[in-house]
Parts: sequence; C-alpha cells; structure tokens
Amino acid sequence: SQQGEEDPQALSIQEGENATMNCSYKTSINNLQWYRQNSGRGLVHLILIRSNEREKHSGRLRVTLDTSKKSSSLLITASRAADTASYFCATDVSGSRLTFGEGTQLTVNP
Amino acid sequence: DAGVTQSPTHLIKTRGQHVTLRCSPISGHKSVSWYQQVLGQGPQFIFQYYEKEERGRGNFPDRFSARQFPNYSSELNVNALLLGDSALYLCASSPSDRSYNEQFFGPGTRLTVL
Repeated sequence: SQQGEEDPQALSIQEGENATMNCSYKTSINNLQWYRQNSGRGLVHLILIRSNEREKHSGRLRVTLDTSKKSSSLLITASRAADTASYFCATDVSGSRLTFGEGTQLTVNP
Repeated sequence: DAGVTQSPTHLIKTRGQHVTLRCSPISGHKSVSWYQQVLGQGPQFIFQYYEKEERGRGNFPDRFSARQFPNYSSELNVNALLLGDSALYLCASSPSDRSYNEQFFGPGTRLTVL
C-alpha cells in the first residue's frame, strides 16, 4: 500500500507562477524525499529532508516537513515550462526502502 | 561519472515467459533497489540488496527474485509472467543501506506482457 498521498493529483499553472504540492503519510519516518519524473522515465532526486528538519531549500525548490501532522509540501517558485513533470514524495521508514505516493502531475503552460 | 544504467530499455514478452532485467549501479555504490511502477501509479518497492545480501523485500510474489553480483550489479528475474507484470521497472543505487542516503534511479526498463 502507498504510504504517501500527494495532493492535488493534477495541477496546471502558467509560467512564472508558483506551484505547491502536498504529501501526507501515515507512519513515523527517517526522512522524506521528493522526486521528479518526466514522461514515464527514470526518477530524478530533488531534495531530501530529514525527520528532524522543518524546512529545506534548493534553488527554486522549498520543502517543508511537519512530523506532527505527518505532512510535507513542495513549493516550486517562478515555474518554467521545463518543470512540467510528475512529482512524487517518498518516505523512508527503514534502511533506504522508499514508499512512494501516487504523484502530482504538474503542467506549466508557456 | 556514469549514472545508474539499466538494460534492456524496452522488452515485450508473452504470458508465462520469464524475463531478466539488469542494473549497473553508480561506481562505488553498494546498495541496489528495485521498484515496479505501473502506469499512472507511484513506484512500489520490490527488493533491496546490499553487499550481495537481500536486505528487504516488498509485497511481491515468489515469481519475483533478484540477486547482486560481486561488482554490485544486479539482476531482477520474473517467472511465469502475467499481464499485470507490465510496468516500468526501476533500479536505484545508493552508497549504503542507510536511510540518510538519497537514491539514484536509472532510466528504467519498460516491460510489456502480451
């Protein structure tokens, strides 16, 4: 069963706008990771946030983690058409075994 | 440096056949994990191998098996293929089996079972 659940399932925005995706999970975690996938190809690692961290930045990406609510959010600022992809959150409960959510399909319109 | 490589890229099989998928991890990485991604869903964990030993197994039938070689490359074998085995099979490598490591994914093998 999927541990993480992303919300929304699909998001369509205009270039330059910000995109926010949310992820909820069910059990305690070691860390939470966000991945991007273009057109059913391999996954690209975006950012890892540990369970004792609350916020992390990487370029135009900002990730927050609220362990009390068992939720995380991914914010992409100033989106570009090249950001169009599926975004997955993945929780690491034990020994790098990742449990993925269903993903959010982001479409950035030029 | 080369990333994670997988072969073949695409594969078409018929029900009942057997398939072997291959994965070469990033140089220096000793942990390899396999995931199955059915169209429209997130990847599901199948196996993790570290230092040639199985460290974890997901909720998959015994038709699925894997092994890791001394050079840390890995094979995923699926016997008695079913239509439902059609999916993208992803391999990921990481330096160790510890949870603080990010995993690096290969491009995947697209398996179609007819």
